[in-house]
Amino acid sequence: AQSVTQPDIHITVSEGASLELRCNYSYGATPYLFWYVQSPGQGLQLLLKYFSGDTLVQGIKGFEAEFKRSQSSFNLRKPSVHWSDAAEYFCAVTRDKLSFGAGTTVTVRA
Amino acid sequence: DAGVIQSPRHEVTEMGQEVTLRCKPISGHNSLFWYRQTMMRGLELLIYFNNNVPIDDSGMPEDRFSAKMPNASFSTLKIQPSEPRDSAVYFCASSFLDRVPISRDRAGNQPQHFGDGTRLSIL
Repeated sequence: AQSVTQPDIHITVSEGASLELRCNYSYGATPYLFWYVQSPGQGLQLLLKYFSGDTLVQGIKGFEAEFKRSQSSFNLRKPSVHWSDAAEYFCAVTRDKLSFGAGTTVTVRA
Repeated sequence: DAGVIQSPRHEVTEMGQEVTLRCKPISGHNSLFWYRQTMMRGLELLIYFNNNVPIDDSGMPEDRFSAKMPNASFSTLKIQPSEPRDSAVYFCASSFLDRVPISRDRAGNQPQHFGDGTRLSIL
């Protein structure tokens, strides 16, 4: 069965600092990989996706993620965090059904 | 472009009552997904449809839950009778599968677009 793990439940960063959210997946083959963001009271918004090709993918809002097959990871990064990036972030993997990680809540302090 | 539209946004009702959640997917999308989000269990896929046909309902918790998609622009998730443990946020999402015939292996190859959810409270 496929599964996805987000080791960090909560991360606090200062505005302007860099951010990295970890995601590890477990699957026999390379799955399709996604990062979503959920602001309070909102649905999930797609940040970026990886299907194949270049292992560094660019997304919206200045986010990027790198797929590392050897580590079964798909970590999300942003060089400089803005206060509006405070939200919950979900990594998701799929071949047939979309499976979500437990989420990482990001708090941004001034 | 209109996104996925869910109604109602909030629902509060007493246990034992029937609850119906509604979803209008993005026009042109051929797949629709119902999820439930709770603090304890996170996001769970309940059921998904492709071309209005239920493909996988293994996530539906009990017979009290049922979902229908009578046409490409409308779906309902019904709980009857409702119980307090059904309290959660229910999301609908839609996407487009780019391969036919229907293949479970390709169900996830396009990103899903989510509605804003229905916050359900069963008292």
